[in-house]
Amino acid sequence: ELKVEQNPLFLSMQEGKNYTIYCNYSTTSDRLYWYRQDPGKSLESLFVLLSNGAVKQEGRLMASLDTKARLSTLHITAAVHDLSATYFCAVDGSNTGKLIFGQGTTLQVKP
Amino acid sequence: ETGVTQSPTHLIKTRGQQVTLRCSSQSGHNTVSWYQQALGQGPQFIFQYYREEENGRGNFPPRFSGLQFPNYSSELNVNALELDDSALYLCASSRTGGGGELFFGEGSRLTVL
Repeated sequence: ELKVEQNPLFLSMQEGKNYTIYCNYSTTSDRLYWYRQDPGKSLESLFVLLSNGAVKQEGRLMASLDTKARLSTLHITAAVHDLSATYFCAVDGSNTGKLIFGQGTTLQVKP
Repeated sequence: ETGVTQSPTHLIKTRGQQVTLRCSSQSGHNTVSWYQQALGQGPQFIFQYYREEENGRGNFPPRFSGLQFPNYSSELNVNALELDDSALYLCASSRTGGGGELFFGEGSRLTVL
C-alpha cells in the first residue's frame, strides 16, 4: 500500500528565512504533485513533477523529485507572510490520477 | 479558477439522511475523481469515473456511490449519513482516464449532525 509522509507537519518561521518541506513515499512512482490549501479553501496546484531529477520553480518556491530515494522537497526561499498556508504533496502510484496525499505541512510565516 | 464547479458549496444533514453532491468538469476533461478531506487531514481518494464507468475506488463503503454523465459531469451520493462523513468533498477533473494534472473544484462542505 502506497503511503506518503510529510515532515514537518507544522512549521513556524520568520519572514526572510529559508526552509524545506520533505515528502517521502513508500512505493515506486515518477509522478508527484504539490498543492497549496488556504483555510476553508480548495487545493491550488503548485507543481507537477513527472520524472526523476525534475526541478520546478515558481517565485519563492522550488520543488524537486528524486524517484530513487522516493523523496520530494519543497524549498521556500526568503519566506513572506503570503506563503502562510497548508502544503500537500501527493503521489500517483499507478499513473491513473488516483492520488495519495500526505498529511500536509502547515506553514506559518511571521512578520 | 480551474473551471471545475461543484454544488452545493455548503450543506447540513442529519444522521441517516442521504446527500447528492455535483461536479462539472473542466472543458475537455473526461475523467472525474472524488476526494474526502476531513478537518485537519489530507484528502482521501473515494473513486474515479472515466467514460461513465467507475475506474477505481478507495477504501470507502458501498454507501458512497457515484455517477458520471455523457457530458462528463458527475455526482457523488452518500446514503445513511454518519457523523464521520462530515468533511470537505473535492472533485477533480483530468484528461483521458487520469494520469495527467488534476484540477480541483472549490469543494462541497458537508456537516452531519
